[in-house]
Formats: sequence, structure tokens, C-alpha cells
Amino acid sequence: EPEVTQTPSHQVTQMGQEVILRCVPISNHLYFYWYRQILGQKVEFLVSFYNNEISEKSEIFDDQFSVERPDGSNFTLKIRSTKLEDSAMYFCASSEARDTLSYEQYFGPGTRLTVT
Amino acid sequence: GENVEQHPSTLSVQEGDSAVIKCTYSDSASNYFPWYKQELGKRPQLIIDIRSNVGEKKDQRIAVTLNKTAKHFSLHITETQPEDSAVYFCAASIFSGYSTLTFGKGTMLLVSP
Repeated sequence: EPEVTQTPSHQVTQMGQEVILRCVPISNHLYFYWYRQILGQKVEFLVSFYNNEISEKSEIFDDQFSVERPDGSNFTLKIRSTKLEDSAMYFCASSEARDTLSYEQYFGPGTRLTVT
Repeated sequence: GENVEQHPSTLSVQEGDSAVIKCTYSDSASNYFPWYKQELGKRPQLIIDIRSNVGEKKDQRIAVTLNKTAKHFSLHITETQPEDSAVYFCAASIFSGYSTLTFGKGTMLLVSP
């Protein structure tokens, strides 16, 4: 069964540094998402992406965050200047096209970001 | 925006018992309600979902019920097994080609042998 993949599995960075988290969505999916989960807390929506533009973003997704689909397979989340409170597990997800029977979002394994 | 409340935060049952987890949502426009299971250190995985045009859906030992009037939905697991132990998250969204999921805080289910 196809799966969403993410790299790296764990990223440690210093406060103020830029990080790029990478995701490869399922190949025939057209909608892409980033969520984050602070340790022990619920999963929170960050941003959704379709047709090379942001569809929706949350209040968390401020100017420090950006997303990009640099080629036909990768989907990236960039945090320009990391803060301690950005430490979390970041999940990428993807879902099929609009005209489908399935609404399911498939989650990747996550990247644990630790900001020191 | 949407707000999802989930109860209980932890639930301990004996193997073979039933488990019920309840969620309420605030936005009456929400029309898609998935449930995800997350084992320790792993990705959330969809176990069942329901759309607002039905009141109940069942898949083997798992069922979900939806009450649109009261804006609440519940997950029912029968004949629980130790491998059902995990954190369960409910979510709500307005599906329009894609869905922005608003999650509840999660329920840690512990099934004792």
C-alpha cells in the first residue's frame, strides 16, 4: 500500500536556524497538508496546499513558515528562524482529488523537530 | 473556527469489554468526522470515518455514531483487545474537495489482558 514518507525522522537545530522538513506524498494525491503535534498534545492543522498554492492556513502558520512543492514529488515545510516553541512532531498528510469516494487523509511518519 | 472536545482523556478497560469515546463539535457546517488511532511514536491512522448524511457506520468491532442535532459523535469499540491500546483522536471538518481537520485532544485507551 502506498505511504506518505518524511525526512528526516529527527531534526535537531539551534534557535534562530532555518529548517526544511521534507515529505513525499502519495503519488496520485493532489491535496497536501502539514500538521504539528507538541509532545502529549493534540494534532494541530498548519496549512493545506493544492495546485501549487496554499488553500488554507491556521493562525500558527505565520510569516516564519512557508511551504513549497519544488518538483513533482516533494512537498516541503520551511521554518525560517526556529523558536523553542517550534519543537514538535510535524506530520505531512495527503489526500486524493476532489471527485473521489475517499475523504481520507494519509499521514506520514512524522519529523520530530527539537529546537535547542 | 471549529472546536472539538473529546472525553474521556484516559480510558482503562478489561479485555473483552466495550469502550466508548465521545466528541462534540461546534461548527454546524462540519460534515466529515474521522477517527484516528495513534500508537506510541507512530503516525495517526484512520480507523473509521462518517459523513453527515448518515447516523451510524460500522466496521467489524468498531462503530461510529453521529448526532448532528446535538453536534456530537462517538466511537464504540466492542470486544476490546490489548492491541487496541493506543491514543484515539476524533476530528471534524468541512469537506469541500479537501478537509482541514480539527482534532480533539485524544483519548488514551488501555486494554488490560
